[in-house]
Amino acid sequence: EIVMAQSPATLSVSPGERATLSCRASQSVSDNLAWYQQKPGRAPRLLIHGASTRATGVPARFSGSGSETEFTLTISSLQSEDFAVYYCQQYNNWPLTFGGGTKVEIK
Amino acid sequence: EVQLVESGGGLVQPGGSLRLSCAASGFTFSSYDMTWVRQAPGMGLEWVSSITRGGNTYYGDSVKGRFAISRDNSENTLHLEMNSLRAEDTALYYCAKIVYIGGSQLFDYWGQGTLVTVSS
Repeated sequence: EIVMAQSPATLSVSPGERATLSCRASQSVSDNLAWYQQKPGRAPRLLIHGASTRATGVPARFSGSGSETEFTLTISSLQSEDFAVYYCQQYNNWPLTFGGGTKVEIK
Repeated sequence: EVQLVESGGGLVQPGGSLRLSCAASGFTFSSYDMTWVRQAPGMGLEWVSSITRGGNTYYGDSVKGRFAISRDNSENTLHLEMNSLRAEDTALYYCAKIVYIGGSQLFDYWGQGTLVTVSS
């Protein structure tokens, strides 16, 4: 099983600032990586797939990068609606696996 | 509008069984792969199982041999049969629709989840 490790566990950021979230895979997943956003009491929402492609309707302030084992999700200027938990997920191998999540909270 | 509505959750004793259902609408259910993802209270997401439109099934290591995913295309419904339940199976269970974009297997629509609690 491919283990996905996210860091940091919690990120405190002021509105308008940049947030950088990391995700590391225990072995190469090529670019078969997605990012999901989850707000309290809500189902997850797809943000990024193919490591760097924004899903339909996702604002341009969200960007993804990386390949193989190292990935980054960047939120260029945090808006109030962006405070949430973010999960990376690999779909290169069965079983599909998620990272433990990074909570982005208001500083 | 795509809608996924889970049902069947509840309180069950360790070792017991439960059958979850996910009623789908707003898309051609038989044409899409589907999946179950769970989330233990206060914890992260865990992929549980997927089924292709052709009926091929895949399972996470923690549920293999105990859970069975199935689909009824005539009723537009996804099921998850859960046996030999353990306390660690306690979670909110989401069903999600799978879409393939450029080879990427993505969960594009999710239900709101049904809560399973395993406790004596």
